[in-house]
Amino acid sequence: GAGVSQSPSNKVTEKGKDVELRCDPISGHTALYWYRQSLGQGLEFLIYFQGNSAPDKSGLPSDRFSAERTGGSVSTLTIQRTQQEDSAVYLCASSPQRAGGVYGYTFGSGTRLTVV
Amino acid sequence: DAKTTQPPSMDCAEGRAANLPCNHSTISGNEYVYWYRQIHSQGPQYIIHGLKNNETNEMASLIITEDRKSSTLILPHATLRDTAVYYCIVRVMGSTGNQFYFGTGTSLTVIP
Repeated sequence: GAGVSQSPSNKVTEKGKDVELRCDPISGHTALYWYRQSLGQGLEFLIYFQGNSAPDKSGLPSDRFSAERTGGSVSTLTIQRTQQEDSAVYLCASSPQRAGGVYGYTFGSGTRLTVV
Repeated sequence: DAKTTQPPSMDCAEGRAANLPCNHSTISGNEYVYWYRQIHSQGPQYIIHGLKNNETNEMASLIITEDRKSSTLILPHATLRDTAVYYCIVRVMGSTGNQFYFGTGTSLTVIP
C-alpha cells in the first residue's frame, strides 16, 4: 500500500482480556518498529524487526507484551491480560533500510487502545 | 535514553520563522540528527535529517553547530498547520538496528 496501515484504529477492551494490534508496513520495507505513546508523553520504543526477526526487544515493558512478523511484512503486537496502564496509542513505523542505513521512518496513524 | 533536550513549548507568529532548538551534547561522530513532527492524532511525520552539514528541503532547514552538540530546525514561514509537537532525535546506531528514541519534544503553537 501507499502508507503504513494499522488496525484497528480504536480498540476498547476489558481489563484482563488479550488484544492483538496489526501493522501492515509499506511494501518492501524491511524494517518495522512498534512504539507506544501514552497521554501527554513522548513515543516509547517497544520492538524492532529486521525482516522476520526481532534484534531488539528491549522496549517491551513486560512479558505480557509480544510481537511477531511473518513473511517480512505484517506484524502483530499482542498484549495479554491487559491492564489499565496499557491504555495508549500504539504506533507502527516501517523503513526501507537495513541496519546502518540513513532512511527515516514512515509511521502509521496508530491504534488507540483503551483498557476499561 | 532520549539523548536530546528540547524546550517543552514555543509560540510563533504566523508567517514568521519558527526556530526550534535542540541540544544533543553526547552525540557520537557517526550519529545523525533527525527531526519529526506529530500533529494531533496522527503518526509522526519525517521532516529532515543531517550529520554535520546544514540541510534544507521543501519543509524546513536544519542548522547543526560545528561541534554538533546542538541543532536548530527552522520553519521559514510558519503556518497554522505547522502547529504540532516537534521531536529532535539522535539516531542510535548499533548492530541491532537504528531505532529512534523519542523524547517529549517541543509543542509548537503557531499564532494567527
